[in-house]
Amino acid sequence: QSVLTQPPSVSAAQRQKVTISCSGSRSNIGSNFVSWFQQFPGTAPKLLIYDSDKRSSGIPDRFSGSKSGTSATLGITGLQTGDEAKYFCAAWDSSLNVVVFGGGTELTVL
Amino acid sequence: QVHLVESGGGVVQPGRSLRLSCAASGFTFRNYAMHWVRQAPGEGLEWVADISFDGGNKFYADSVKGRFTISRDNSKNTLHLEMNSLTVEDTAIYYCSKGHGVAVAHLDFWGQGTLVTVSS
Repeated sequence: QSVLTQPPSVSAAQRQKVTISCSGSRSNIGSNFVSWFQQFPGTAPKLLIYDSDKRSSGIPDRFSGSKSGTSATLGITGLQTGDEAKYFCAAWDSSLNVVVFGGGTELTVL
Repeated sequence: QVHLVESGGGVVQPGRSLRLSCAASGFTFRNYAMHWVRQAPGEGLEWVADISFDGGNKFYADSVKGRFTISRDNSKNTLHLEMNSLTVEDTAIYYCSKGHGVAVAHLDFWGQGTLVTVSS
């Protein structure tokens, strides 16, 4: 059971937009920045978004992040088949004193 | 460019110890916090520990506290994870990651990971 809650899977058609939610609490998302990671099978995670809404170097502007209260959202526009991957959110938890991750969301591009 | 290479993984019996290393290059290692994150087969990501740029601050996940020790050698640009009293639940790919401080989830570069299998 992950501290941050993500939907197990989402899907959308090519060239469409999808959002992935990440729900937490006051001690993590509510008081700290959120990061988003992309992971393809058999490879290491890659940072997409940090500080809740800043794109990491080299990440196209099709990817965006936002945060409101104790929830965060990753948005991906202009979906491509190459975006099919697992996406994880993460934040520092000030009560647990650990980095907490969401369980991950599998994106399928139809 | 940033390069992180983990080593030291392998098959180990329950109760035994293992020491992982992470060789860093392409950035000023002594200026950055470093993290270990693990991923059990087919599972999600689990943060393990982090260490401040100078080694003065360390944080651990409850699941490894008292058994694992994170350390670094800034003269050799190397990060370590000493793992004792291993259990089957510690079986995972272990990634080292460059962080922008401790107590943050801003992990901007990751190694390819090293597999630790705890099995009798």
